[in-house]
Amino acid sequence: EVQLLESGGGLVQPGGSLRLSCAASGFTFNNYAMSWVRQAPGKGLEWVSAISGSGGSTYYADSVRGRFTISRDNSKNTLYLQMNSLRAEDTAIFYCAKFVPGSAFDIWGQGTMVTVSS
Amino acid sequence: DIQMTQSPSSLSASVGDRVTITCRASQGIRNDLGWYQQKPGKAPKRLIYAASSLQSGVPSKFSGSGSGTEFTLTISSLQPEDFATYYCLQHNSYPLTFGGGTKVEIK
Repeated sequence: EVQLLESGGGLVQPGGSLRLSCAASGFTFNNYAMSWVRQAPGKGLEWVSAISGSGGSTYYADSVRGRFTISRDNSKNTLYLQMNSLRAEDTAIFYCAKFVPGSAFDIWGQGTMVTVSS
Repeated sequence: DIQMTQSPSSLSASVGDRVTITCRASQGIRNDLGWYQQKPGKAPKRLIYAASSLQSGVPSKFSGSGSGTEFTLTISSLQPEDFATYYCLQHNSYPLTFGGGTKVEIK
């Protein structure tokens, strides 16, 4: 079964850091680009970042560029999102999603909640 | 950046109704568009990819059409399990962008 399982969310103070993980199973992880998508409470979906299958190419939304870093460890079938200088407006559920060329996100994780508050 | 304008933002409909949701891209995106359904507390689920291809396992009451800048999602006969929020997503170029969502509620 193809599965994505996020972890690492929690409560962090403004200016703090957090690292999210997404463990993948059921498919050949290094063959696929991956993304992080977030959803603030009561709001819509916002794409955050993407990384190619090899990890050689990365992409970011303007709202997180310079603060967040996406990476992956293909030997561990795991995707990461390092989040620094967190702000209240980063409070959201963060989903990881598998990207299929020509058809975008076919599989999503269940999400992990990040709350930035003092 | 490509902006995705989704309409309406919400609608009320009855069981059995035909429902149409539209997404308009600020520039041409070929058929690089997907439609997603999200129920409260759940992750999004893909319904349609490549603008008009039905995701495996998704009922045929869902259909998508369009190319370039205008896209539609149609639910042919609304059922109780279809009440949810629907999003379009363009993946033609980074940054990827979602429409604002359409909340489908029971009339």
